[in-house]
Amino acid sequence: GENVEQHPSTLSVQEGDSAVIKCTYSDSASNYFPWYKQELGKRPQLIIDIRSNVGEKKDQRIAVTLNKTAKHFSLHITETQPEDSAVYFCAATGANNLFFGTGTRLTVIP
Amino acid sequence: EAQVTQNPRYLITVTGKKLTVTCSQNMNHEYMSWYRQDPGLGLRQIYYSMNVEVTDKGDVPEGYKVSRKEKRNFPLILESPSPNQTSLYFCASSYRGLGNTEAFFGQGTRLTVV
Repeated sequence: GENVEQHPSTLSVQEGDSAVIKCTYSDSASNYFPWYKQELGKRPQLIIDIRSNVGEKKDQRIAVTLNKTAKHFSLHITETQPEDSAVYFCAATGANNLFFGTGTRLTVIP
Repeated sequence: EAQVTQNPRYLITVTGKKLTVTCSQNMNHEYMSWYRQDPGLGLRQIYYSMNVEVTDKGDVPEGYKVSRKEKRNFPLILESPSPNQTSLYFCASSYRGLGNTEAFFGQGTRLTVV
């Protein structure tokens, strides 16, 4: 099955700086790559996704890039704010499954 | 309000005592799934259902059962819970399979087996 690796496991940035989280996947057939944000004690919620026919997607301060040849994709958060502090999960699709990375705990220091 | 509802939110039980965690969605989604979340391991799929009466194993199905008798409900059953099933459990649903549509998660059930 699919194997998704996510780095780093923890990330601390100063408010206003950028944050980058990287993921790799193993199954070249995967074609959908969502990112979920999980605030403390809350459920994961989709923040952005990208499909394999697109190389980059932006939504205000967040962007995702995908390199299908290298099988990696990344989340970029610009102008970070304290409310961006959370655990972020990348995921890649299998036949009927989402395979999640192990998560990145992002802390934005005011 | 469109939502996925799990119950209970918190549960402490003893080894071997059967329990059921309920999951219900009001979005008429065909696809439902159960995940467990453990520190350092992310979310791992337990079972999923593509539609009523259609269920299949995920990555970590041992020790769990599910049923899908109605489209909106997808209960998770632990026939004989063991301490290694202590975890945070999430139910999720989506319009179709998870291949290209957003997954909506329930609020989670924190299970402790002593």
